[in-house]
Amino acid sequence: DTGVSQNPRHKITKRGQNVTFRCDPISEHNRLYWYRQTLGQGPEFLTYFQNEAQLEKSRLLSDRFSAERPKGSFSTLEIQRTEQGDSAMYLCASTSQETQYFGPGTRLLVL
Amino acid sequence: QQPVQSPQAVILREGEDAVINCSSSKALYSVHWYRQKHGEAPVFLMILLKGGEQKGHEKISASFNEKKQQSSLYLTASQLSYSGTYFCGTLDRGSTLGRLYFGRGTQLTVWP
Repeated sequence: DTGVSQNPRHKITKRGQNVTFRCDPISEHNRLYWYRQTLGQGPEFLTYFQNEAQLEKSRLLSDRFSAERPKGSFSTLEIQRTEQGDSAMYLCASTSQETQYFGPGTRLLVL
Repeated sequence: QQPVQSPQAVILREGEDAVINCSSSKALYSVHWYRQKHGEAPVFLMILLKGGEQKGHEKISASFNEKKQQSSLYLTASQLSYSGTYFCGTLDRGSTLGRLYFGRGTQLTVWP
């Protein structure tokens, strides 16, 4: 257990539905990252927060994706109008310096 | 920008050694190594912050050749628990945001 928690751990949804994932980072960590991982691949960067400010978004993050980190604490990642290609593991990582500690991930399956 | 890892897969007997390589086409600030078991999150192993640095973690160590933009992970006297997929994550020199680029991973299987 790294101290980073994510909920839910698994989500099955139908195509077209909206889903929201939550990440609770290690409390003193001011930087938070979202990654997506598909089978046989390494994690791919989605977006980055420093405190409550979203400083970078990957081109992978279409308009259907939105992320927030109100008050610089927990973060949410929402996917609207899900597509089958959104099926993946969504990982959150937090850090205060150099090392990124990953949460257990949310595995999304879009039917 | 995605680093290249080699080999893609390694099969070992318990007690044997392995080397996993990670190379980048970009100048690097740091290299981060993780191990991931099936269905679980990546677990941090070590970070190498400057050229030539070598670090160790139990019987797992790593080196970073800044000039060659390469890092290698050394697993000695492998144990069954070492099985999993190993990823290197690289942080480009000049990056101010800490965005890591991960390789596709090396799948390590250790048999008794």
